[in-house]
Amino acid sequence: DVKVTQSSRYLVKRTGEKVFLECVQDMDHENMFWYRQDPGLGLRLIYFSYDVKMKEKGDIPEGYSVSREKKERFSLILESASTNQTSMYLCASSFADRAKTQYFGPGTRLLVL
Amino acid sequence: AQSVAQPEDQVNVAEGNPLTVKCTYSVSGNPYLFWYVQYPNRGLQFLLKYITGDNLVKGSYGFEAEFNKSQTSFHLKKPSALVSDSALYFCAVRDIAGSYIPTFGRGTSLIVHP
Repeated sequence: DVKVTQSSRYLVKRTGEKVFLECVQDMDHENMFWYRQDPGLGLRLIYFSYDVKMKEKGDIPEGYSVSREKKERFSLILESASTNQTSMYLCASSFADRAKTQYFGPGTRLLVL
Repeated sequence: AQSVAQPEDQVNVAEGNPLTVKCTYSVSGNPYLFWYVQYPNRGLQFLLKYITGDNLVKGSYGFEAEFNKSQTSFHLKKPSALVSDSALYFCAVRDIAGSYIPTFGRGTSLIVHP
């Protein structure tokens, strides 16, 4: 079974802190994604990576950066956390084939105080 | 450009009754279509997809969906709902010649009443 794991299920941080969210997949997928999910807004793409060190901005990249140094690991960084970044963060991965399914991690619920 | 619409924020159905969760899409070319389910405080799980071939697609947990090209729809159905089907359902689309990034609908909350 494909497994996508995220480093934390719940996180509480203070405004201004630097926050790292990590995602690891074990199926050698080329593509990895970071989404945030907010009630009524569905899933919004923050960043997409199609290869090591390669990335594309999604719909809402402001205030976020990403790192992909190894194929299996995709990190989301909040440079200076703000209260409006309180959200559920979901990581996903898939093969580089448009017919292929995305596999999602369990999510990280981040609260910024 | 590609887009997905899930016109209902919430669907209520009694246990044992058939359920339908609606999805319509727009793509420039031909679509790949996906349904995912999300249980509370969990990530999304794949239910089924349409790639090509038979317009009626069968998936996990007794769900099925019908691809209708003329109506650009991909509605999710189940003949007899269970209380345990209560969850958030997302439809997603990719253009077969477009980006690897899928477009998701906003989600429909399915509530199955005992």
